[in-house]
Amino acid sequence: NAGVTQTPKFRILKIGQSMTLQCTQDMNHNYMYWYRQDPGMGLKLIYYSVGAGITDKGEVPNGYNVSRSTTEDFPLRLELAAPSQTSVYFCASSSAGNTIYFGEGSWLTVV
Amino acid sequence: EDQVTQSPEALRLQEGESSSLNCSYTVSGLRGLFWYRQDPGKGPEFLFTLYSAGEEKEKERLKATLTKKESFLHITAPKPEDSATYLCAGGNRDDKIIFGKGTRLHILP
Repeated sequence: NAGVTQTPKFRILKIGQSMTLQCTQDMNHNYMYWYRQDPGMGLKLIYYSVGAGITDKGEVPNGYNVSRSTTEDFPLRLELAAPSQTSVYFCASSSAGNTIYFGEGSWLTVV
Repeated sequence: EDQVTQSPEALRLQEGESSSLNCSYTVSGLRGLFWYRQDPGKGPEFLFTLYSAGEEKEKERLKATLTKKESFLHITAPKPEDSATYLCAGGNRDDKIIFGKGTRLHILP
């Protein structure tokens, strides 16, 4: 019953550092997503992927990069972390056009 | 531009006091209207998917309905454990999912 698994759960970064948020799903979903959620602002799409080898930008892609080398994994890379990237990050997956399922979230603070 | 708007932003109800949450949407080629529940410190938990106008789905004290412009989440005789943020989202023809900002529901015992 793993579903969508994200790591780490919590992380503190210094300005200018880089890190990767890991995401893996075991539901054989083609579609995977990364969202960020800021207080009172709802979920904003960062990047999404419709299958291995294919990625596309969402609403707020600046400062992030993704890759999709396998169906299961969709890591999110933060280069040169900035305070504006302090947020909660959610990875999600779905089959085409159907319900998306979320991970438990990764809390990131940039200081 | 695709958009999903939820109202009210926050709602406080007494236990047992029924009400409805609204989700207005303009989504190109709607492929599904989704409702989620989110508890503090957790990821959104799937509740319902509605695909066409007139469709209704129920789960315990919750019932979701869909028209061509809106969806409603009706809560009947709520209990304190129903307190959460409820998120509405629309899937467009490009399979992007657009979320509203949510309604924070607080049920007072």
